[in-house]
Amino acid sequence: GAGVSQSPRYKVTKRGQDVTLRCDPISSHATLYWYQQALGQGPEFLTYFNYEAQPDKSGLPSDRFSAERPEGSISTLTIQRTEQRDSAMYRCASSQLGTQETQYFGPGTRLLVL
Amino acid sequence: DQQVKQNSPSLSVQEGRISILNCDYTNSMFDYFLWYKKYPAEGPTFLISISSIKDKNEDGRFTVFLNKSAKHLSLHIVPSQPGDSAVYFCAASAPSNSGYALNFGKGTSLLVTP
Repeated sequence: GAGVSQSPRYKVTKRGQDVTLRCDPISSHATLYWYQQALGQGPEFLTYFNYEAQPDKSGLPSDRFSAERPEGSISTLTIQRTEQRDSAMYRCASSQLGTQETQYFGPGTRLLVL
Repeated sequence: DQQVKQNSPSLSVQEGRISILNCDYTNSMFDYFLWYKKYPAEGPTFLISISSIKDKNEDGRFTVFLNKSAKHLSLHIVPSQPGDSAVYFCAASAPSNSGYALNFGKGTSLLVTP
């Protein structure tokens, strides 16, 4: 695609529910990153993929968070048993593989857990 | 711990003047630095980058300066225009287990007044 897209743009859920966020990266980009951004802060790294491989999950806050990219293109971030502290903007970025290429960000998903 | 710091939350500059946005970092392993610009309700947009082997990179009205000994970089916008009003994020990366995950500052909100 022309740019990185994310859906939904906004998600309101009740505490304890599961949510799944979707990222559609730039089609030629092999590397995909997920970030979490709290209000008034910069984005913080959660996890990343090279194609379908997920080399690092160290930024995921707890085991309630998981991410997939089964075919090396679209990725999903799932938060199980959501808690109020999970409320944040979730950003996806993609880049070309292997080098310090520029990361291109999507518009983000604003998650609100009530 | 915040490895990238933007100590000025906001900056106001008159149209036509120079805007200088500053950024400090603590991790000496960082070797690639980027500036992103963010409008409300949009994702961060890449603006300009610099590798640690350089001390200056220029692109039109935007110039980034890197002082490795001081662990400091700055973004100069000359001349500033009202359309430059946005939040500017400084980011840095180093090769690591997290790929080339970006470490962001908290952002500086720039207002360019006519």
